[in-house]
Amino acid sequence: DQQVKQNSPSLSVQEGRISILNCDYTNSMFDYFLWYKKYPAEGPTFLISISSIKDKNEDGRFTVFLNKSAKHLSLHIVPSQPGDSAVYFCAASDSGNTPLVFGKGTRLSVIA
Amino acid sequence: NAGVTQTPKFRVLKTGQSMTLLCAQDMNHEYMYWYRQDPGMGLRLIHYSVGEGTTAKGEVPDGYNVSRLKKQNFLLGLESAAPSQTSVYFCASSRGGMNTEAFFGQGTRLTVV
Repeated sequence: DQQVKQNSPSLSVQEGRISILNCDYTNSMFDYFLWYKKYPAEGPTFLISISSIKDKNEDGRFTVFLNKSAKHLSLHIVPSQPGDSAVYFCAASDSGNTPLVFGKGTRLSVIA
Repeated sequence: NAGVTQTPKFRVLKTGQSMTLLCAQDMNHEYMYWYRQDPGMGLRLIHYSVGEGTTAKGEVPDGYNVSRLKKQNFLLGLESAAPSQTSVYFCASSRGGMNTEAFFGQGTRLTVV
């Protein structure tokens, strides 16, 4: 039973436009969410996070939105750049100090 | 600053052979993790450790053992490799609790034939 779902395996966006990556979760105990970015042949790197006490967190071109009632979060990248082409993983955890649960990832391709 | 280093980067094993993957971190992190990544499956937690001398099972622990004898090292062992263990293995560490930012190594690509 997947607790963190990224239903779009891939996404293609033109350079300069907005990329929106979505993530849904089923465990209502999750209260901390993170996005990781992964390039081929490299380990994932932390991108941005959000706590359940917030509904938005922004860091430069990256913004994460959290809708707790819908158990949904999204990562917005504006403007998208070719260097953003990577696999993006959504992850979630609860304050009970349990390990992060990752989604299956979404492969973003930004076309120049 | 090396961060998280995994050894080896690549390995081919025959079915039934054993091996140990080494993870070393130089950030003085308490928490360390081993994940495997398979196509279409995302990152799945194998085992983790919340401190030196401690280990715990993750989502997919069968066929693996781990040890954390020193704070900076986390070893993943395969006693009798199976083709189903062909995967890319990632080690990670985090400073605070398990819901904080984790730093990942570059991965070990293991093929079991």
